[in-house]
Parts: sequence; C-alpha cells; structure tokens
Amino acid sequence: GAGVSQSPRYKVAKRGQDVALRCDPISGHVSLFWYQQALGQGPEFLTYFQNEAQLDKSGLPSDRFFAERPEGSVSTLKIQRTQQEDSAVYLCASSLSLGPAGSTDTQYFGPGTRLTVL
Amino acid sequence: QKEVEQNSGPLSVPEGAIASLNCTYSDRGSQSFFWYRQYSGKSPELIMSIYSNGDKEDGRFTAQLNKASQYVSLLIRDSQPSDSATYLCAVNTLTGGGADGLTFGKGTHLIIQP
Repeated sequence: GAGVSQSPRYKVAKRGQDVALRCDPISGHVSLFWYQQALGQGPEFLTYFQNEAQLDKSGLPSDRFFAERPEGSVSTLKIQRTQQEDSAVYLCASSLSLGPAGSTDTQYFGPGTRLTVL
Repeated sequence: QKEVEQNSGPLSVPEGAIASLNCTYSDRGSQSFFWYRQYSGKSPELIMSIYSNGDKEDGRFTAQLNKASQYVSLLIRDSQPSDSATYLCAVNTLTGGGADGLTFGKGTHLIIQP
C-alpha cells in the first residue's frame, strides 16, 4: 500500500514568511509524528498526535511552530515568521497504534520536506 | 534528558566483511529499539526493530540488545557497497499508554569499500 507522503518536497521561503507543510500518513495509522532533521544530525522529535489529539508538543522549538490534525488523518505543520535557523528537513512518520512495545509502534517515515529559509 | 549516543564515524569496512554499529542510550525505561538506514538526501528506512534482550536476525542483519548495559548494536554480514549509508539508532519509551517520539542518535556513517 501507499506509504507516508509529504508535500511539498522542497520549500524555499524568505525570512519572515509563513509556511505550511503537509503530511498524509499511512491509511489506518493512529499515531503521527513530526521530526526536524538538521544537516548531519539525527531527526529530533517535534510533536505527536494520536488520532486528532495532539498529545505531546514538547519538541516544538518556539511558539512560531504549530501543528494540527483536525480529522485524525492528514496533518499540517505550520511555521510562522520563518527564520534561517528553521532551515532543515521536516520528516513526518506514522505508526499503527500505541500501547505495549511491539510491531505496532514501528514508525514509518515519509520522504520529508526540505525547507530553506533565505 | 533522554540521550542516544553513536559514533559518527565514518566507519570503513571492506566489502564482504562484517560491519558492527553500536549505540548506547540513557533512559532505562526505554522499551523499543530501532535501527534505521538513511541514504544521503533520503528519509530514514527501517532496518530492524528489537524489544527483548538478546539477538534478532533478519537476513544479513542482526540486532543485539542488552538492557542491563543500555546497549544496542547492529551487525551487517557480508557487507555490500549498497550498505553504505548513515545508520540511525532510535529508542522509544512508551509511557502511560501513550508513545513518545523516537529519540535518535546522530547516526554512524558507514562506508563499504569495494
């Protein structure tokens, strides 16, 4: 079946512009995660949804970052007043469900959106 | 603060040899452990998951977990040039009925020399 998809794949923004990044998780996956990956680093957790509920947003770097998943499927990560330090690859991942450790908590990643802020 | 440590490399291994990648983690409550492979400019791709102490084998890959030592490793047998990539160790702590996001190491850059 289809994997996680993200759009756009590349985004160039001028400093101060707002951007919106979209994620379509694997159909039926309850959990959705956003990560930020800077060059040469591992992905860093931003926020997490279980269905439409945002259960953890502790990784969002500032109040300029906002994420939503209103119908429990597609999610949007919005960055307001972009800054150069926001330049990174933004990865979305989904997993089947939560609960005890097991195969259902495996996260599958989308191709990412590479954001460049000039 | 949850931390996952990996040697960034590069780790250079001759073709056909065994590549050994190591990872340590700080949170004793961690329950799920993953190895992802990431080619340059691509997204992470799951290689192995492991949840219990011991070894887990899948083809040329073997994951090893030692929770007492807070150590997880990945062995790649019969290394191929196509295995050249960055290998990310990731750890998940499932708390209170909800999952946390994965905590990743910085990755080990593996080079398989033909």
